[in-house]
Amino acid sequence: RKEVEQDPGPFNVPEGATVAFNCTYSNSASQSFFWYRQDCRKEPKLLMSVYSSGNEDGRFTAQLNRASQYISLLIRDSKLSDSATYLCVVNPGRRALTFGSGTRLQVQP
Amino acid sequence: GAVVSQHPSRVICKSGTSVKIECRSLDFQATTMFWYRQFPKQSLMLMATSNEGSKATYEQGVEKDKFLINHASLTLSTLTVTSAHPEDSSFYICSASGTGGRLDSPLHFGNGTRLTVT
Repeated sequence: RKEVEQDPGPFNVPEGATVAFNCTYSNSASQSFFWYRQDCRKEPKLLMSVYSSGNEDGRFTAQLNRASQYISLLIRDSKLSDSATYLCVVNPGRRALTFGSGTRLQVQP
Repeated sequence: GAVVSQHPSRVICKSGTSVKIECRSLDFQATTMFWYRQFPKQSLMLMATSNEGSKATYEQGVEKDKFLINHASLTLSTLTVTSAHPEDSSFYICSASGTGGRLDSPLHFGNGTRLTVT
């Protein structure tokens, strides 16, 4: 079983739509969680950290369910510029991060 | 914010040659740097953890004699792919954690090096 699992997609959505991505992780001792965004052939860039209480940053909302070892990302009012691969990232208790394989989002006009 | 610079961004080399990739932290001291590799349509896979002034820690399945890591200063780590072969063609990305970095802090990534071995 992979340490971090994501649906690879692609998710094809129209502009303005709301889309949600889910991710599960296997290591119950994982201590911190992030969503990164990766554009084609570029390095990953931090989108947001994920906190136990849930957190929001503009159109983006992240949720964490430690009991179910489940993380989600909700994007509201999708923009064309949101098209990218979204990486679910977990810190299993050391500074190196463990990456999911990513979920590809394509926002269409 | 913190910046990590990686060089070169792209390199094409012949099979059997060695390639050196540099990773620099520009405005902070990086006691620990991480080297990742990403094959097309796959996730980033940790290759090794580089600690300033000591030997790197390699992940299972990564050959330490093939992927030489040197972290001689708090701002520079290098990865040398020795005797490169076409199967080493990949996207190599470094990331850094600063001094006193907390485990819940995200990492800062270099812009990656796309290696093509012909």
